Amino acid sequence: AQSVSQHNHHVILSEAASLELGCNYSYGGTVNLFWYVQYPGQHLQLLLKYFSGDPLVKGIKGFEAEFIKSKFSFNLRKPSVQWSDTAEYFCAVNADGNKLVFGAGTILRVKS
Amino acid sequence: GAVVSQHPSWVICKSGTSVKIECRSLDFQATTMFWYRQFPKQSLMLMATSNEGSKATYEQGVEKDKFLINHASLTLSTLTVTSAHPEDSSFYICSARVAGVEQYFGPGTRLTVT
Repeated sequence: AQSVSQHNHHVILSEAASLELGCNYSYGGTVNLFWYVQYPGQHLQLLLKYFSGDPLVKGIKGFEAEFIKSKFSFNLRKPSVQWSDTAEYFCAVNADGNKLVFGAGTILRVKS
Repeated sequence: GAVVSQHPSWVICKSGTSVKIECRSLDFQATTMFWYRQFPKQSLMLMATSNEGSKATYEQGVEKDKFLINHASLTLSTLTVTSAHPEDSSFYICSARVAGVEQYFGPGTRLTVT
């Protein structure tokens, strides 16, 4: 069965610090990869996605993620976080064209 | 575009009663809708996949007689929690898909069973 692992459940950063959230998945075939964000009191929003092509994907709000097939990883990065980035971040994998399998989520708190 | 709504956003019901949650795609027609459950401090777990006009496909361990899903139109899917018990208290989230892989998520419904 597919699984998605997010390494940190809670991350606390100061504004302007760099962010990297880890995501690893278990599936040997072709995958589609996603990062979603859930701001407090709001619904899940898509940050970025990887289907094929350039493994470095740029998303909204300055986020990017790199797909490293050999490491089964899709880590999320942002060079300089802002207080408004405080949210919960979910990595998700789709391997069968239908279901999304989510990681446990990482709660990011940015201190102003 | 691609807005999904859920109603109600929050509901409290007594043990033994049934609760219906609606999921609507507001500006697109969704061929497939998904229902997830999110426990506190945990991730989203897929409960079932529903395609318009056909029976829902439930994930292993999800009781189909307890969680009734109806996808009667391309813009509406409903989840009915029958004979609810306190352990059914959770955050229920739907998503909708037009084609391909990308899903658009609703804001969720918080169910509390007393």
